[in-house]
Amino acid sequence: ETGVTQTPRHLVMGMTNKKSLKCEQHLGHNAMYWYKQSAKKPLELMFVYNFKEQTENNSVPSRFSPECPNSSHLFLHLHTLQPEDSALYLCASSHPAGGSSSYEQYFGPGTRLTVT
Amino acid sequence: RKEVEQDPGPFNVPEGATVAFNCTYSNSASQSFFWYRQDCRKEPKLLMSVYSSGNEDGRFTAQLNRASQYISLLIRDSKLSDSATYLCVLTGGYNKLIFGAGTRLAVHP
Repeated sequence: ETGVTQTPRHLVMGMTNKKSLKCEQHLGHNAMYWYKQSAKKPLELMFVYNFKEQTENNSVPSRFSPECPNSSHLFLHLHTLQPEDSALYLCASSHPAGGSSSYEQYFGPGTRLTVT
Repeated sequence: RKEVEQDPGPFNVPEGATVAFNCTYSNSASQSFFWYRQDCRKEPKLLMSVYSSGNEDGRFTAQLNRASQYISLLIRDSKLSDSATYLCVLTGGYNKLIFGAGTRLAVHP
């Protein structure tokens, strides 16, 4: 499989549930990202990982917990979410900053999350 | 003030029309600029990078004006398949992209 994949594509969860989103990239990149996209709002950067190390946490509430076990995989663990967390969660990957193509980010199809 | 401002649209144009979008940004330190395209309920995809000298890719032309802090995208000979949301994107630091909320384009027969 090529590109950036995300599972599940759709998720409905209650506020007391715990679930995880998974992202996998097959592009040989070393930077991975989580974004949140709510209706009619810009993409909001949540987390950045470079070479498995977290380099950005954009003031994200602790009910979102990222995990990056290696450069190809990224998880977002969810617990005690709120209805306003319902959104499209997008994963992306790129080469790390510094190269000529470092900022071209490739996105996965996203997980559409509904919190009830 | 928003970091990236775009007219949300929608721009409704007939096939064959020429349409232009502008985007203004507030971070004068931004180094790189892009247009991404996002189809309905799909992920964003890079359309083109934007260079100070302006650049063209087929029917698409992008321009950057650093002094006025705006970028533009011109689409000539619009196709039905151009219908999408166009996102203005710029760099905001190490590995960080800042996205506008997008301009929606609807091309009709």
